[in-house]
Amino acid sequence: DSGVTQTPKHLITATGQRVTLRCSPRSGDLSVYWYQQSLDQGLQFLIQYYNGEERAKGNILERFSAQQFPDLHSELNLSSLELGDSALYFCASSVGLAGGPHQETQYFGPGTRLLVL
Amino acid sequence: AQKVTQAQTEISVVEKEDVTLDCVYETRDTTYYLFWYKQPPSGELVFLIRRNSFDEQNEISGRYSWNFQKSTSSFNFTITASQVVDSAVYFCALSEVSGSARQLTFGSGTQLTVLP
Repeated sequence: DSGVTQTPKHLITATGQRVTLRCSPRSGDLSVYWYQQSLDQGLQFLIQYYNGEERAKGNILERFSAQQFPDLHSELNLSSLELGDSALYFCASSVGLAGGPHQETQYFGPGTRLLVL
Repeated sequence: AQKVTQAQTEISVVEKEDVTLDCVYETRDTTYYLFWYKQPPSGELVFLIRRNSFDEQNEISGRYSWNFQKSTSSFNFTITASQVVDSAVYFCALSEVSGSARQLTFGSGTQLTVLP
């Protein structure tokens, strides 16, 4: 158990809909990351937050947005869903940006499997 | 831009054999971190090892060992005396230390099957 929790575990929805994925980082971790894993694109970085602020953006679609709240949990919002958005969405957390190499390791949650029909 | 290449798509070995997974990376940064993660059939991503670019000492941890060579930009991972439970997809990943961004760039993964 990595200590990172994600809900829900599975999500089935229809095209055009909007969903929210939730992530709680490990206790003490300030950085949260979102990744998407699909068969054709592999594992891709979406976005990073550090202590409530956005720090890096990857291949995140404009239909997708995220935020990190004061209690450090994070939500990833996916809207106007398309069939191609079906994927496994991972959240990861790390201690943060300072403190040494051992604090750079990202620990992953179990993922949310999204199926868009 | 950073890139990670895992040329081996699938590897199959018989239990107790040693197996090495290859990883080659590209980065312009002088400081970076390299990782290996394991994804078993259940789907979660499990952290295995981390290496810092400024420390080329190779280590062994139980049945795992790794060979980091900066000169060839390679970070290979070896499992000694493989077991059926080692069957999984293994991902090599790179994190550049550039500003405040710490995203991981993953390779495409190597599916390891250990046969009894």
